[in-house]
Amino acid sequence: GEDVEQSLFLSVREGDSSVINCTYTDSSSTYLYWYKQEPGAGLQLLTYIFSNMDMKQDQRLTVLLNKKDKHLSLRIADTQTGDSAIYFCAESTYDRGSTLGRLYFGRGTQLTVWP
Amino acid sequence: DAGVTQSPTHLIKTRGQQVTLRCSPISGHKSVSWYQQVLGQGPQFIFQYYEKEERGRGNFPDRFSARQFPNYSSELNVNALLLGDSALYLCASSRLWTDYSTDTQYFGPGTRLTVL
Repeated sequence: GEDVEQSLFLSVREGDSSVINCTYTDSSSTYLYWYKQEPGAGLQLLTYIFSNMDMKQDQRLTVLLNKKDKHLSLRIADTQTGDSAIYFCAESTYDRGSTLGRLYFGRGTQLTVWP
Repeated sequence: DAGVTQSPTHLIKTRGQQVTLRCSPISGHKSVSWYQQVLGQGPQFIFQYYEKEERGRGNFPDRFSARQFPNYSSELNVNALLLGDSALYLCASSRLWTDYSTDTQYFGPGTRLTVL
C-alpha cells in the first residue's frame, strides 16, 4: 500500500535554507506534491513535480526527486518566520484504469523558524 | 476567482448524532474529494466524486456517505458519530479527471468537527 514518511520536526534560523525530506512507496505515483498548513487552516498547494522530472524550481522553492530511491525533498531558500508551518508531502496514485488521482499524505513536518 | 469554500467552519456534536458538511469547488472544477485530518496526522482520503458519481472511496465505515450535485458542490454525511470522528474535514477540488496534467487538488479551509 501507499506509505509516505516524513521527519516530524525541523528548526532553522531565519535566513538559512530549510530542507524537508520525504520518502514514498508507490513507484507508479505520477505526481508528488508539497502542501503547507498554517495553524487552524486548510492546505495550501506549494508546488508539485511530475515523476519524470528530477528537479523543479519555483522562486524560493526547489523540489528534488530521486525516483530510484523514492525520495523527495523541498528546499526553502532564505527561510522567513512566515514560513513556520506544517509541510506535507503527498503522492498521487491512480486505481487501475482510472485517471482520477487520490492523494496519500505523510504526517507532516513542523518547520519552526527562529529570528 | 473564489477558492474552495466549506461550511460550516466549526461544528460541535454529541455521540450518536448525524452531521452534514458542505463544499463548493473552484469554478470550473468538476471533481470533489473529501479528506479527514485527525490532530497530529496527515489528511486521509475518504471519497472522490466526479459528475455526481462516486469514483473512489477510502477505508472508512459505511457511516460515512457523500454526494455531488449538478452544480458540482458536494455534501459529506456522517451518521452515528463517534468520539473518534472529531477531526478537520477537508474538501478538495480538481479540474478534470481525464487530464493528468490538471488533476492537482486545491483544498478548502476545512470544517472542524468536535464530537463530545
